[in-house]
Amino acid sequence: DTGVSQDPRHKITKRGQNVTFRCDPISEHNRLYWYRQTLGQGPEFLTYFQNEAQLEKSRLLSDRFSAERPKGSFSTLEIQRTEQGDSAMYLCASSLFLTAAHSPLHFGNGTRLTVT
Amino acid sequence: DQQVKQNSPSLSVQEGRISILNCDYTNSMFDYFLWYKKYPAEGPTFLISISSIKDKNEDGRFTVFLNKSAKHLSLHIVPSQPGDSAVYFCAASAYTSGGSYIPTFGRGTSLIVHP
Repeated sequence: DTGVSQDPRHKITKRGQNVTFRCDPISEHNRLYWYRQTLGQGPEFLTYFQNEAQLEKSRLLSDRFSAERPKGSFSTLEIQRTEQGDSAMYLCASSLFLTAAHSPLHFGNGTRLTVT
Repeated sequence: DQQVKQNSPSLSVQEGRISILNCDYTNSMFDYFLWYKKYPAEGPTFLISISSIKDKNEDGRFTVFLNKSAKHLSLHIVPSQPGDSAVYFCAASAYTSGGSYIPTFGRGTSLIVHP
């Protein structure tokens, strides 16, 4: 399978703990995005990378959230001191950016986080 | 404030009939629009897109129409099939000042196609 892969699929953690999610994009894709989706809402943008550079972050992304893409391949999203409001589906997507051409995002199946 | 609005949370259609899903947007800078389909426990899957220089794009049973003056787009599925039952998300994007392209999503419409 050459699609976007996310690990783990589910994570249950206690409030105050740190969690880390991993995303492996489609191999030739140079852009990687993180979105968050809660019940009844559409995906909300968190941050994105072009290669290893983090180019934009949403105002939704508090300082407890950090994302990395160290070698321009896989990415990790860490949430420190989790809160119950962090419970959501965390979606990773990738795309191939060439000049100014639009390219659709390809999503993984997400990591569902439950904070108890 | 929602920039992309899908005002119908659900739609029920008979198999073989047309399904029409609607989407409105408020940001006049949006220049690229996409529809995604999402099954339970899966991530959204890209379905079809349209650039603002066009008013229609067709791919098999799926057609997207764009009315820029009304800031409105719609997805037509003809004929509808039970396998089309899913949540459909409308998304729109514009390049940011930093040269980024970041799609903004609506809340989705749940389509049920009855056999």
